[in-house]
Amino acid sequence: SQQGEEDPQALSIQEGENATMNCSYKTSINNLQWYRQNSGRGLVHLILIRSNEREKHSGRLRVTLDTSKKSSSLLITASRAADTASYFCATTNTDKLIFGTGTRLQVFP
Amino acid sequence: DVKVTQSSRYLVKRTGEKVFLECVQDMDHENMFWYRQDPGLGLRLIYFSYDVKMKEKGDIPEGYSVSREKKERFSLILESASTNQTSMYLCASGLVAAPSSYEQYFGPGTRLTVT
Repeated sequence: SQQGEEDPQALSIQEGENATMNCSYKTSINNLQWYRQNSGRGLVHLILIRSNEREKHSGRLRVTLDTSKKSSSLLITASRAADTASYFCATTNTDKLIFGTGTRLQVFP
Repeated sequence: DVKVTQSSRYLVKRTGEKVFLECVQDMDHENMFWYRQDPGLGLRLIYFSYDVKMKEKGDIPEGYSVSREKKERFSLILESASTNQTSMYLCASGLVAAPSSYEQYFGPGTRLTVT
């Protein structure tokens, strides 16, 4: 049962530009997490935002959460070619993660 | 650093074979998970385990079983592999913590092809 839906499905930008990905979910959550997956590899945890938080930063990452709209966004500033990957949101209601289908980000040098 | 390892990166098996996928984590995590990942479908939870000898069905357990005899090892078993089980299989582990602070650590994945 998928909870999160990312938008867009694919995004292509030039190095130095900002990349914004959105995630919508359906039910109440305890927290929302973002993961990155390089091609053919496992997922790496990027950032977690709790349901009572509205914004969180980590390096070049900025995550916002709007629980009234059941949506989150991930902003990557000053993108680099190494940011090329798929990005997934995942929500937690109990102790299972439910993942979205991901946004494929391509950053051209 | 947490390390989650999976026994194979690539695996090719024939229809009807019994397949074992092994996962080992080195951080004494209570929880372990098996997912499969397919294009357009994202990650789907197959089985998970809260403790040794405990297992819970995820969203798509049909055709799979699991074994957790030791805390650090979680095995996924395909009793009779079928072509529709061709997929990327990802193992993950995590601490038992308050749900608001929970995160998972993933292995590199096993790409299984059933012919």
